[in-house]
Amino acid sequence: AQTVTQSQPEMSVQEAETVTLSCTYDTSENNYYLFWYKQPPSRQMILVIRQEAYKQQNATENRFSVNFQKAAKSFSLKISDSQLGDTAMYFCAFVYNNAGNMLTFGGGTRLMVKP
Amino acid sequence: EPEVTQTPSHQVTQMGQEVILRCVPISNHLYFYWYRQILGQKVEFLVSFYNNEISEKSEIFDDQFSVERPDGSNFTLKIRSTKLEDSAMYFCASSEWRFYEQYFGPGTRLTVT
Repeated sequence: AQTVTQSQPEMSVQEAETVTLSCTYDTSENNYYLFWYKQPPSRQMILVIRQEAYKQQNATENRFSVNFQKAAKSFSLKISDSQLGDTAMYFCAFVYNNAGNMLTFGGGTRLMVKP
Repeated sequence: EPEVTQTPSHQVTQMGQEVILRCVPISNHLYFYWYRQILGQKVEFLVSFYNNEISEKSEIFDDQFSVERPDGSNFTLKIRSTKLEDSAMYFCASSEWRFYEQYFGPGTRLTVT
């Protein structure tokens, strides 16, 4: 079974500063993909960033970047120049080569950006 | 920008009643999914659907649940006899292909009384 763990239930950061959210996962699969999703108070699930396991280069998307450590099974999200609109729940998610393409989510980290 | 839409945004129903949650996936996407999120908990996979059949379903997706793609655009989740524990946010998602990003709809909040 695949598991995803987010060890930080809550975090806070000052506006304009940088914050890193942690995620670890457990799998015996070699071909998989990792995602970070953002869930603001509206509860909409918004894709933030994606990483293919076969790629060594870490994904970046504007102010969002990941630190993917395959051997350690770690996938952290760095948010630079934090903005008030970044306040949300952040979920790490994993999918591997299964028939159903199902996403397995971590428990989430609640991020508060303070002015 | 194309997006996944869901209706209704909020559904209140009595225990034992049938509900149908509706979704319109992104038009060129081939894979469709339902997830649910009980308040304060993680998002859980229910079912995936491809080529007009279920690809995979979780233990949550028992005989009370069914999915259907009745026409070329809609994708529905039916709960035959709702229980109190079915109260949750239900998200529809779609992806263009396997392993591609799954795009989520805004969710339907189901309240069973």
